[in-house]
Amino acid sequence: AQSVAQPEDQVNVAEGNPLTVKCTYSVSGNPFWYVQYPNRGLQFLLKYITGDNLVKGSYGFEAEFNKSQTSFHLKKPSALVSDSALYFCAVRDTSGTYKYIFGTGTRLKVLA
Amino acid sequence: KAGVTQTPRYLIKTRGQQVTLSCSPISGHRSVSWYQQTPGQGLQFLFEYFSETQRNKGNFPGRFSGRQFSNSRSEMNVSTLELGDSALYLCASSPATSRNTEAFFGQGTRLTVV
Repeated sequence: AQSVAQPEDQVNVAEGNPLTVKCTYSVSGNPFWYVQYPNRGLQFLLKYITGDNLVKGSYGFEAEFNKSQTSFHLKKPSALVSDSALYFCAVRDTSGTYKYIFGTGTRLKVLA
Repeated sequence: KAGVTQTPRYLIKTRGQQVTLSCSPISGHRSVSWYQQTPGQGLQFLFEYFSETQRNKGNFPGRFSGRQFSNSRSEMNVSTLELGDSALYLCASSPATSRNTEAFFGQGTRLTVV
């Protein structure tokens, strides 16, 4: 079955430390990352198209694409308290609908 | 440029009633998709409209329907509400739909069915 896996429900990291939020997928399509703050919709962070395996995105986030592992891990060199939010990995399903298939989300908590 | 606007932000309805949610996409965007977000099921695709035509539909019962108008605004309707329909309903707009196109989401409508 086509799916997007975010193995960690929650990631805790100290402010100033690097962060990684993991995503692997078994969907034919390109991966994306979105962030959701409380009582808000989803905000686009970054996406993989083709080319460099390290993608730069908004707010200092970047993501590492690995084709053989079909992974697209979200990273940031130095976490901020304001980065605390719910992060979703998603893939556009290219089997016909182009709908997003979302992971279950990872709650990032950055501790001061 | 104005973002995606969803109205109302919050709704409380009684079981058996029906509800209509509205979404105004970003100007110039012709594709509007709807997603349901619940703690148990996560984000699930409902349907997508493009130029007033429903192009795709997710695995939801027929009680869930929608439409898109000529100005790309979209409405979603749920009839005979059930408790399990309580969720955050998100609308997403994009200029087109392809494997590389990011979507822009509204703030959502929080529907509570009592």
